[in-house]
Amino acid sequence: DGGITQSPKYLFRKEGQNVTLSCEQNLNHDAMYWYRQDPGQGLRLIYYSQIVNDFQKGDIAEGYSVSREKKESFPLTVTSAQKNPTAFYLCASSSGQESYNEQFFGPGTRLTVL
Amino acid sequence: GIQVEQSPPDLILQEGANSTLRCNFSDSVNNLQWFHQNPWGQLINLFYIPSGTKQNGRLSATTVATERYSLLYISSSQTTDSGVYFCAVEGVSGGYNKLIFGAGTRLAVHP
Repeated sequence: DGGITQSPKYLFRKEGQNVTLSCEQNLNHDAMYWYRQDPGQGLRLIYYSQIVNDFQKGDIAEGYSVSREKKESFPLTVTSAQKNPTAFYLCASSSGQESYNEQFFGPGTRLTVL
Repeated sequence: GIQVEQSPPDLILQEGANSTLRCNFSDSVNNLQWFHQNPWGQLINLFYIPSGTKQNGRLSATTVATERYSLLYISSSQTTDSGVYFCAVEGVSGGYNKLIFGAGTRLAVHP
């Protein structure tokens, strides 16, 4: 089955710890994205990558880092510098083509800082 | 940057009723998507509709790009339609091309 997987589904972190959220896709998409969703709100873009070994900051990149070493994978690290990390994190991917760039989303990871 | 406004913010329906959700956007956009977020948080793609009209079962959508709005129609609503409906537009904002989300319409369908 083609799709986007995220792990873990739930993650608990102590203050001061870095954590890494996994995102994998087998849709052969070039572009991948990380979003954050806070309760009762829409999604905000953290980082995106249009191609392997390249990525750009989104609107709320402070306190986060990413890597894109493989086409299929785009892990997100939430660092201790992120002041309010408790949120729902969603990964997405798309073809990246200007003519058709529909984004598809994974099931999400709920991060709670204790 | 591009602003996306959705209305109404909340909607309560009786099962079987019809509804129309609206999405207004402030500038020209490349694409527009409608999503349904279920109670578990999963975002489900409903329509990819930069312009024109599309239908999928009880749902249909129309985008009038020249007037900067899109409408999502839900007919004969069912309890499983409950959740949050998001409109997102792809446009240039902050110097790069990205998907910009509205705040959503929260729909509750009662039996």
